[in-house]
This record gives sequence, C-alpha cells and structure tokens, in this order.
Amino acid sequence: EAGVAQSPRYKIIEKRQSVAFWCNPISGHATLYWYQQILGQGPKLLIQFQNNGVVDDSQLPKDRFSAERLKGVDSTLKIQPAKLEDSAVYLCASSLRLPSAGRLAKNIQYFGAGTRLSVL
Amino acid sequence: KQEVTQIPAALSVPEGENLVLNCSFTDSAIYNLQWFRQDPGKGLTSLLLIQSSQREQTSGRLNASLDKSSGRSTLYIAASQPGDSATYLCAVYNTDKLIFGTGTRLQVFP
Repeated sequence: EAGVAQSPRYKIIEKRQSVAFWCNPISGHATLYWYQQILGQGPKLLIQFQNNGVVDDSQLPKDRFSAERLKGVDSTLKIQPAKLEDSAVYLCASSLRLPSAGRLAKNIQYFGAGTRLSVL
Repeated sequence: KQEVTQIPAALSVPEGENLVLNCSFTDSAIYNLQWFRQDPGKGLTSLLLIQSSQREQTSGRLNASLDKSSGRSTLYIAASQPGDSATYLCAVYNTDKLIFGTGTRLQVFP
C-alpha cells in the first residue's frame, strides 16, 4: 500500500514570492491534514479536510495561506506572499475517517515525508 | 486546552544504555497516544500507538506506557544503538486532532 506522497521535498524562495505544495493521501482516506513544523517545535495543525470540505482551519493564516482539496483526494497548500517566518517543514497526513467515528475510533494519522521550505 | 510536554529536550548517551523518554499532557480525556520518530529533514515515522484503554505497547526494543490518570507516557528504549539517534515526538489524540509535544532529541554515540 502506497503511503502519503508529498512534493516537492525541498523549496527555496525569496520573501514575498509564492509557493505551492502538493499532497496525495493514502487511497481511501477521507481525512487530510496539513501541519507546519518550525525547527525545534512539534508539528502544528494548519487545516483539516474531510473529503473536500474544510473541518478546521482555525490556525491557518488566511491572509497568506490557502489550501484546497477539490475532488476529495489530492490537496495543495499555497503561501502567497511568503515571509521569513514561514520557513518550516510542511507535513501532510491522512486518516480513515471511520463512519462510526467516536470515542473508540482510531483515526490514526499517516504522515508524508514533508516539504522543507526555506524563505530567504 | 491540551498541552503536551516532553522531557528531556535533548539527550546524549553512549551506545548500550537503556533510556526513558517522558511525555506529559494536561487533559487526561485523550483517546489515543502515539510516539513518532523523526530523522533530520524527514517526515514522521510511527513507532507505537497506545489506545486509551491500554496501559502499554511493545515493539522490539521499544516499550511505551500510558497512565491517563496522571497524564503521563514514557517511551523506554532498551540497549540503545547509534541508529536510534533521532527526535522522538509524543502526540495525543483529542477526537481526531493530534496534539504534539516539542520532542526529545536523542543522540547515541558509539
């Protein structure tokens, strides 16, 4: 079974430029997550999709970040314009959102290799 | 608001030592707890998942325990090897949200 695919692996841009990241989740996984991991910190959730709908984007800086999952499969995360503080690893994860999701549902998340962004 | 703390932040040990990494969380109403490994510049590799009804999980030289009432989990690494050098992240599941700690950076030298 193929894992979560992300591209590119690395990206270097100058501040005020735009950048986009792509994620292909595990086949059949309805839920997709984007995380930002700044050096020395744990990953922080940016946005969560259930199929092609947004479930939680409360921590997404909406003035510069946007994300979409048009067909409920692949997703793209965009930053425009980038700032120095956006330098981080961007991780994509997916999970099976079981129909009987509740307290006992596992909802285990599987992570991609990440995209390392350097903003100069 | 759930907060996850990991101690120590960094650890450097000689090969062969047995290690204990600590994770604490403020809200005991968690569903699952997961330990990850992260190599420099790489994504996350899942090591162990403990469901809320379980007390521990084992995989090879790794053993993770969970005490929900005290808000603690420990990751025990037996007979450490240089290949174990990485950052270890603890994360708790609140419904489908995963809250991460800041990690313990481990270096095992020959």
